[in-house]
Amino acid sequence: EDQVTQSPEALRLQEGESSSLNCSYTVSGLRGLFWYRQDPGKGPEFLFTLYSAGEEKEKERLKATLTKKESFLHITAPKPEDSATYLCAVQVGGNKLTFGTGTQLKVEL
Amino acid sequence: DGGITQSPKYLFRKEGQNVTLSCEQNLNHDAMYWYRQDPGQGLRLIYYSQIVNDFQKGDIAEGYSVSREKKESFPLTVTSAQKNPTAFYLCASSIRGQAATNEKLFFGSGTQLSVL
Repeated sequence: EDQVTQSPEALRLQEGESSSLNCSYTVSGLRGLFWYRQDPGKGPEFLFTLYSAGEEKEKERLKATLTKKESFLHITAPKPEDSATYLCAVQVGGNKLTFGTGTQLKVEL
Repeated sequence: DGGITQSPKYLFRKEGQNVTLSCEQNLNHDAMYWYRQDPGQGLRLIYYSQIVNDFQKGDIAEGYSVSREKKESFPLTVTSAQKNPTAFYLCASSIRGQAATNEKLFFGSGTQLSVL
C-alpha cells in the first residue's frame, strides 16, 4: 500500500530560524511528488512538483529536494507570513494522488 | 480572475437530510475532483470527472453522489447514507486530468460541513 508520512506534525520557529520539513514515501512507481501550502480555512495552493531523485526547486524562501525515499522542504530565514500547513502528495501509476497529513508551521516574531 | 468557487462556506446538515455542495470553475479545465479533509488525515478522493457526463468513484465514494452536466460545474451531494459527514470538503480542477502525468491541482476555498 502506498504511504506518505510527513514530519514533524507541527513546527514552531522564530523569525529567521531556518529549518526543514520532511516527506517520506513508500510507493511503487513514483511519477511525481507535489508540495502544497494550505492556510487555515482555505484550499491548498500549489508550490512545487519534483519528478526524479536529485531534483531541486526553489521559490523565494522555500527549496524542495527529492531523493528516492523522501523529500525535504527547506525554509530559509522564515517570516510570519510563511506560517501555514504544508502538504506533500505523491503520484504513482494510474496517476493516483496520495496525500500526507501535513506539517503545521508557525513562525513567530 | 480565473479560479474555483465553492459555496456555501459553511453548511449544516440535519440527520436524514441530503445536502449539495456547489463547485464552479472558470479555468476551462477538463478535470474536476472532490476531496474530503479530516483533522489528522490526508486529503481523500471522493469522486473525479475527466469530461462532461462522466465521473469515477474515488477511495471514499460511499454516501456521496456527483453530476457533471456542464464543464464548469461539479456539484457534490452528501446523502443521508453518509453517516459521518462532518469534514472540510475541497473541490479541485486540473487541465487534463488523470490521463496526464504530474498535473497540479487548483483548489477552491472549501466548504465546512457539520451535522446538527
